[in-house]
Amino acid sequence: DAKTTQPNSMESNEEEPVHLPCNHSTISGTDYIHWYRQLPSQGPEYVIHGLTSNVNNRMASLAIAEDRKSSTLILHRATLRDAAVYYCILYTGNQFYFGTGTSLTVIP
Amino acid sequence: NAGVTQTPKFRVLKTGQSMTLLCAQDMNHEYMYWYRQDPGMGLRLIHYSVGEGTTAKGEVPDGYNVSRLKKQNFLLGLESAAPSQTSVYFCASGRDSQYNEQFFGPGTRLTVL
Repeated sequence: DAKTTQPNSMESNEEEPVHLPCNHSTISGTDYIHWYRQLPSQGPEYVIHGLTSNVNNRMASLAIAEDRKSSTLILHRATLRDAAVYYCILYTGNQFYFGTGTSLTVIP
Repeated sequence: NAGVTQTPKFRVLKTGQSMTLLCAQDMNHEYMYWYRQDPGMGLRLIHYSVGEGTTAKGEVPDGYNVSRLKKQNFLLGLESAAPSQTSVYFCASGRDSQYNEQFFGPGTRLTVL
């Protein structure tokens, strides 16, 4: 069974914020939550990761629910270059478990 | 820095043939990983290594073997290729485990006929 669940696809207008949700109801206390994105015909690219607290970096913000069973990746102002498949990943036991990803379409 | 490179970029095999995929990184990373990605799916971990001379099984290890004789290289072998192993293979490296990002290579597209 998949360790993370994400919507298959989402759309956003350019320059608007985007909230990409992820459910990980079986997460344990030491599991990290990672997000990567993948452009067509490329390898995944790191976006952000966290354990319990909300995290910010230059690319995005990660909001983690208090019970840690869900998280949300926030892109503050979507650009056309943000169109990609976004993967929510659990790190547990030295291994990364990818979900099936959310394909983000950015509308000009 | 070249980052993570993979050789070859494309390969077509017949069922039963063998081959080795090479991953190289020039970032002095301890951790290296091999993943496969099937159409419309996320990546699944095949094998990984936490340092030179070490290897461990991931989520889908059957039919593959790996070796990490040098810190900068991680080899993935298919001893007897099967059509079910048709996939895109990605290698990644990282400074350590869950605390830092992984850097991915460009992928190898393998077709087994």
